[in-house]
Amino acid sequence: EPEVTQTPSHQVTQMGQEVILRCVPISNHLYFYWYRQILGQKVEFLVSFYNNEISEKSEIFDDQFSVERPDGSNFTLKIRSTKLEDSAMYFCASCRDSSYNEQFFGPGTRLTVL
Amino acid sequence: RKEVEQDPGPFNVPEGATVAFNCTYSNSASQSFFWYRQDCRKEPKLLMSVYSSGNEDGRFTAQLNRASQYISLLIRDSKLSDSATYLCVVSRFSGNTPLVFGKGTRLSVIA
Repeated sequence: EPEVTQTPSHQVTQMGQEVILRCVPISNHLYFYWYRQILGQKVEFLVSFYNNEISEKSEIFDDQFSVERPDGSNFTLKIRSTKLEDSAMYFCASCRDSSYNEQFFGPGTRLTVL
Repeated sequence: RKEVEQDPGPFNVPEGATVAFNCTYSNSASQSFFWYRQDCRKEPKLLMSVYSSGNEDGRFTAQLNRASQYISLLIRDSKLSDSATYLCVVSRFSGNTPLVFGKGTRLSVIA
C-alpha cells in the first residue's frame, strides 16, 4: 500500500540553524500539508500546498517557514532560524481527492532544537 | 470554546468491552469529519470518515449529529491492539482545507 515517507526521522539542531524536513507524498496525490505536534499537545496545521503554491497557512507559519516542491516527488519544509519552541514532531500529509479530504500522514520528523 | 473537544480519558476497559467516545465541534460550517488513531509517538492514522448517515467498519461505528455538532465512535469487542489515542478531526469547509484536531481520547484495553 502506498504511503507518505519522511526524512529524517529525527533531527537535532542548534537554535538559530536552518533545517529542511523532507517528505515524499503518495504518488497520485495532489494536495500536500505540513502539521506539527508539540509533545503532549494536539496536532496543529501549518500549511497546505496545491498546484505548486501555498493554498492556506496558519498563524504558526510565519516568515521563518517556507515550503517547496522542488521536483515531482519531494515536498519540503524549511525553517530558516530555528527557535527552542520549534521543537516538535512535524508531520507531512497528502490527499488525493479534495472532495473527501481524507489526508494520509507520514511517520513524522522529530525536531529537537537545543 | 475549543474548535474540537474530546474527553481526554484515559478510558481503561477490559478486553471484549464496548467503549464509546464523544466529540463536539464548534464550527457549524465544518463539512468533513474523521476519526484518526494515534499510537504513542507515531503519526495519526485514518480510522474512518464519518458521514451524516453514520457508518460502520467491522467493530467500529461512527455517528454524526450535525444539529448538535457532535460525533461519536463506538468500538465493540475491544482488543488489546485497540489501545491508542483516538483523535476526533474536522475540516472547516469542503474540499482542500486543513484538518482541525481534537486533543484525543486515550484508550487502554486491559487483558
